Amino acid sequence: AQTVTQSQPEMSVQEAETVTLSCTYDTSESDYYLFWYKQPPSRQMILVIRQEAYKQQNATENRFSVNFQKAAKSFSLKISDSQLGDAAMYFCAPDSGAGSYQLTFGKGTKLSVIP
Amino acid sequence: DTGVSQDPRHKITKRGQNVTFRCDPISEHNRLYWYRQTLGQGPEFLTYFQNEAQLEKSRLLSDRFSAERPKGSFSTLEIQRTEQGDSAMYLCASSLPGAGANVLTFGAGSRLTVL
Repeated sequence: AQTVTQSQPEMSVQEAETVTLSCTYDTSESDYYLFWYKQPPSRQMILVIRQEAYKQQNATENRFSVNFQKAAKSFSLKISDSQLGDAAMYFCAPDSGAGSYQLTFGKGTKLSVIP
Repeated sequence: DTGVSQDPRHKITKRGQNVTFRCDPISEHNRLYWYRQTLGQGPEFLTYFQNEAQLEKSRLLSDRFSAERPKGSFSTLEIQRTEQGDSAMYLCASSLPGAGANVLTFGAGSRLTVL
């Protein structure tokens, strides 16, 4: 079974500053996807960013970018110019590969944004 | 289309009772997923459907749990003889076929409390 480790249970960042959330995982697959999902308080989970494992180029979505190190099985999320609305739980989730689409979520990192 | 709908949003029941949750996915999404999220944890995969076919089931889905998607549209998740350990948020998600199949849109969840 896959394991996903998010080693920072809680993080805080000043508004407009940059923060990086870490994630490591274990998989035997060579072709898979990785995701970061955001879960605001009492609201539904939404996709932040997606990375394809066979692509060397790191994915970016506006203020969100990843640092994907396939050999190290590391997948960190960088949030630039942090905004109050970024406060949420962030979950790292690789899929099972091989067409399964089953996601394994980490325990999450609670991000607070300080005005 | 208003996204993925789940009903009820909250359910309180006594141990031993049966409960049923309903999920209405986005209409053009043919894949539907059920996840369970307990307090302080990331979501855990339970099962998924492609159209009306249930293609994967987690070992977490004990004999007391059954999921159906009879016409390939809405899905139900039934828990029989509930136990206190079943208390959790039950999340439904859906996705498009093809290249978009691993991008999940989540519902707001159904929170179950077993007394």
